[in-house]
Amino acid sequence: KNEVEQSPQNLTAQEGEFITINCSYSVGISALHWLQQHPGGGIVSLFMLSSGKKKHGRLIATINIQEKHSSLHITASHPRDSAVYICAVSRLYNTDKLIFGTGTRLQVFP
Amino acid sequence: NAGVTQTPKFRVLKTGQSMTLLCAQDMNHEYMYWYRQDPGMGLRLIHYSVGEGTTAKGEVPDGYNVSRLKKQNFLLGLESAAPSQTSVYFCASSYWGLAGDTQYFGPGTRLTVL
Repeated sequence: KNEVEQSPQNLTAQEGEFITINCSYSVGISALHWLQQHPGGGIVSLFMLSSGKKKHGRLIATINIQEKHSSLHITASHPRDSAVYICAVSRLYNTDKLIFGTGTRLQVFP
Repeated sequence: NAGVTQTPKFRVLKTGQSMTLLCAQDMNHEYMYWYRQDPGMGLRLIHYSVGEGTTAKGEVPDGYNVSRLKKQNFLLGLESAAPSQTSVYFCASSYWGLAGDTQYFGPGTRLTVL
């Protein structure tokens, strides 16, 4: 079983819909990262969080440390949000490296 | 700032050939990483460096070597390429370790080994 699991693997939505991508992990962590991989392949870091909630524009990331779960929400989705969203964690006592989930592929149609 | 750059962007090798991938960053970051990405799998760490002159093995180091002679550069070498090394390779960097800092990624190198 992977230490970082994401769901769903694939997600399609109509423009304007509210989207939720989930990430569960099985190890103690010091931080959780959400990344976005564009269709062209480039990877951008969206959020790093260790507690609570962060918001940037239409993106919101939350984490529940006790439940070992994080969610990435996209409000008012747009076709330009189409990408692969990747969750990654740094272990509590090994903070030099990340463990990655396999990603959620999101397609938003007009 | 150019951020993180990778050279080359694409490369085709024959089995047994060698090559070096270059990663450069201009953000004065201490930490640098080499990952590979394969279909259906998450990014996997090959090697990393926590500062100039240091290197460490990641999850999948076999068949690769690295060097960090200058703080801004991190080189990934394949001494004798194998078809199993066909992949997309990403370099990344961060100022601090990943408990408290964001990683910045390069654009990737698509390598095919025939």
